[in-house]
Amino acid sequence: DAMVIQNPRYQVTQFGKPVTLSCSQTLNHNVMYWYQQKSSQAPKLLFHYYDKDFNNEADTPDNFQSRRPNTSFCFLDIRSPGLGDAAMYLCATSRQGNEKLFFGSGTQLSVL
Amino acid sequence: RKEVEQDPGPFNVPEGATVAFNCTYSNSASQSFFWYRQDCRKEPKLLMSVYSSGNEDGRFTAQLNRASQYISLLIRDSKLSDSATYLCVVNSKAAGNKLTFGGGTRVLVKP
Repeated sequence: DAMVIQNPRYQVTQFGKPVTLSCSQTLNHNVMYWYQQKSSQAPKLLFHYYDKDFNNEADTPDNFQSRRPNTSFCFLDIRSPGLGDAAMYLCATSRQGNEKLFFGSGTQLSVL
Repeated sequence: RKEVEQDPGPFNVPEGATVAFNCTYSNSASQSFFWYRQDCRKEPKLLMSVYSSGNEDGRFTAQLNRASQYISLLIRDSKLSDSATYLCVVNSKAAGNKLTFGGGTRVLVKP
């Protein structure tokens, strides 16, 4: 089945140790998003790619970076995770911007 | 004022009852509207898109009121499995036509 796949499902990292989360999609969608969701809060958009064009949200910390080497894959890099970065990270895709989102199952990040 | 606002709830609903809740949006130029359902520690899943004429999917009915700038979701004959957080998503031209989430409405269906 076409889908959005995130790995790993759970990730534990140490304070300050770089970590990379991955997302792949078989939907051939143009747009890929990364959201951060903390407990009892709405998903917060960090950035998105429209094809190869990177769009960063104004309030996304520099600590968060992203790469999209091809249509199918997108990565979230956290250069120096802090305790406040512990959250669920959700990858989503859409065919075009402004259309419904398809989410991966998320990566729950813990920072020790 | 937030771009997309929801009553956080929780709405405590007896099994079999009807529950309805709204989502207000600030940008009159918004064009796309969705309801997502999210279970605890899971990803949001699309429940339904919301069309101008209103639409129904089984026990779920979504309405759009452009004049008052809100969308609504009504759940009939509530099941225990309907317990979840319901997220409203609206496109925002002010935000570069991106989709913006409301804070979610928590629904608890009880026996």
